[in-house]
Amino acid sequence: DAGVIQSPRHEVTEMGQEVTLRCKPISGHNSLFWYRQTMMRGLELLIYFNNNVPIDDSGMPEDRFSAKMPNASFSTLKIQPSEPRDSAVYFCASSLGPGQGAFTEAFFGQGTRLTVV
Amino acid sequence: SQQGEEDPQALSIQEGENATMNCSYKTSINNLQWYRQNSGRGLVHLILIRSNEREKHSGRLRVTLDTSKKSSSLLITASRAADTASYFCATVKNYGGSQGNLIFGKGTKLSVKP
Repeated sequence: DAGVIQSPRHEVTEMGQEVTLRCKPISGHNSLFWYRQTMMRGLELLIYFNNNVPIDDSGMPEDRFSAKMPNASFSTLKIQPSEPRDSAVYFCASSLGPGQGAFTEAFFGQGTRLTVV
Repeated sequence: SQQGEEDPQALSIQEGENATMNCSYKTSINNLQWYRQNSGRGLVHLILIRSNEREKHSGRLRVTLDTSKKSSSLLITASRAADTASYFCATVKNYGGSQGNLIFGKGTKLSVKP
C-alpha cells in the first residue's frame, strides 16, 4: 500500500476562495482523522470519521469548514470562504480501529501546506 | 483542548547522550502512543503502550507509563543526529463503547548535535 495519500501537497489561494483538500486512507482502515498543525496551536484534531461516519467534529473551527467521507477510500476537507488565519499544514491520518475500545497506530499523510493570502 | 502535554518543549543534547521526554494527560486512557515528526513531514508512529503495561522497549526507545500519575516518558538512548525531530504523545479520547479518537500534545522538539 502507498500509505495515506493527500493532495495537493501545497496550496496557495486568495482570501475568500474555496479550498478543497483530499485524502485517500490506507485500504482497509476504518478510522480517518483530519488534523491542522500550526506553530501556535500545535496539532489540532478537526474531525474524526469511523466507518465513513463523522463521530466527532467538535474541532472544526467554524461553519466555513466542512468534511465529507463519501466512501471508505476518500475524504475531503473544504474551507469556504478561506481566510489568512486558515494558513496551516493539514494532515489526514487513518487507522485500524477502534478495536477493543482503542486504536492501534495511526498512519499520516505527508500533509497539505495551505497558504491563504 | 489537548489531552497530552509534553515536557520539555525543546531539548538540545550532544550525540551519544540520552534524551528523555515526558507526557502528562488528563483522563483515563486505554493506550498511549508516541510519534515522531521530521521537519516538513507527517507523523510516524514509534511505540504504543497499553494502560496495563508499565514499560516497553523498542530498539533504542524505552517508554514508561504511570497511570496513577497520568504520565509517560520516552527515553531515547545513545542519541544520534538523525534523531533530531519533534516527538509527540497521543492519547485516545473515549466516547464510551468502542469509539474514540487520537489527541496529540504540542510536542517536544529534540535537537541532537553531532
